[in-house]
Amino acid sequence: EPEVTQTPSHQVTQMGQEVILRCVPISNHLYFYWYRQILGQKVEFLVSFYNNEISEKSEIFDDQFSVERPDGSNFTLKIRSTKLEDSAMYFCASSEPAGTAALEETQYFGPGTRLLVL
Amino acid sequence: KNEVEQSPQNLTAQEGEFITINCSYSVGISALHWLQQHPGGGIVSLFMLSSGKKKHGRLIATINIQEKHSSLHITASHPRDSAVYICAVRYYGGSQGNLIFGKGTKLSVKP
Repeated sequence: EPEVTQTPSHQVTQMGQEVILRCVPISNHLYFYWYRQILGQKVEFLVSFYNNEISEKSEIFDDQFSVERPDGSNFTLKIRSTKLEDSAMYFCASSEPAGTAALEETQYFGPGTRLLVL
Repeated sequence: KNEVEQSPQNLTAQEGEFITINCSYSVGISALHWLQQHPGGGIVSLFMLSSGKKKHGRLIATINIQEKHSSLHITASHPRDSAVYICAVRYYGGSQGNLIFGKGTKLSVKP
């Protein structure tokens, strides 16, 4: 069964460093998302991406963050100048485009990247 | 602020018990998702609902749009069902993928 993959599974970085989290969505999916979950807290939406541009972003997704689809398969989240509070699990997800009869499609989540900023 | 409330926060059951987890939300939604988060952190999508009821194996999800409420039921529960169950909604006016998540219900099923 096709699945979303993420690398690395764990990343430790120093405060102020840049990190790039990588995701390979399911191949025929066209919508891509990043979410984060701070330890012990609920999952939070960061950004959605469609047709090579951001379709929506949350208040969390400030200028420190950027997303890119550098080729036909990868979808990346870059965090510039990491802060201690960026420590979290970051989930990538993807979905097929909604059909005319549906407003929503099931999202398939990757296993997550656990980021620790020291 | 649009919120998603889940109850109970924690639930312990004996193997074989029928389990219900509840989710309520504040304003109109276009879709509601039930997700399962394993102890290792991975998230699996269980159901996506906009009306009525869906069933998959021992799992049943229902939604009452008028009451702004959804339930996830697990019949004949098993220790492998132990996980955090998360409700997430997309409110009208939100773009696809902009889900608002509940805090989750931690389920532990004892043998």
